[in-house]
Amino acid sequence: DAGVTQSPTHLIKTRGQQVTLRCSPISGHKSVSWYQQVLGQGPQFIFQYYEKEERGRGNFPDRFSARQFPNYSSELNVNALLLGDSALYLCASSTSDGGDLHIQYFGAGTRLSVL
Amino acid sequence: GQNIDQPTEMTATEGAIVQINCTYQTSGFNGLFWYQQHAGEAPTFLSYNVLDGLEEKGRFSSFLSRSKGYSYLLLKELQMKDSASYLCAVLDSNYQLIWGAGTKLIIKP
Repeated sequence: DAGVTQSPTHLIKTRGQQVTLRCSPISGHKSVSWYQQVLGQGPQFIFQYYEKEERGRGNFPDRFSARQFPNYSSELNVNALLLGDSALYLCASSTSDGGDLHIQYFGAGTRLSVL
Repeated sequence: GQNIDQPTEMTATEGAIVQINCTYQTSGFNGLFWYQQHAGEAPTFLSYNVLDGLEEKGRFSSFLSRSKGYSYLLLKELQMKDSASYLCAVLDSNYQLIWGAGTKLIIKP
């Protein structure tokens, strides 16, 4: 089975631009979470979606938004990019949002560079 | 606030044993995870503890004490490929993962 897939792998944008990152979860997984990871730090939680509804949001500005589609894939949008948005953006999927099924499986990430 | 602490960096010798500690203070607890992350790659799942005690999985073991807010990851028979960052993460009361900054493990021959 295919793992979590993210696209694009790398992206270079300039300040003020907008970006859309995409994620396809593992088949059968209904929950998708997005994380931002700056070099040398742990991932920071941005959003969680389950069954197409937002289940959680981290401490990120409104420039960050996301959605989940009927096929459980997801998009993360970032508007008005700042230099500080440069990071590795990770998507993770899990089978459920309860019980023992919280193991999150990560995609390879999208490395965003804002110039 | 929520806080997860782990050492920034550790060094160990190939073939030896190393213990990476993690202490946490979070709003609620629904389990603790350990992930391995090689440079430039995505985190990969190693272990999950929700009850006190030791979980063993091959060369890797993970321990949890909920009353002490403490966990450790034990790696035995270290191999060069174990050189990576090891991330401790806690699932809080909102079922969101709170991550530590990671421990960079350097394995020397």
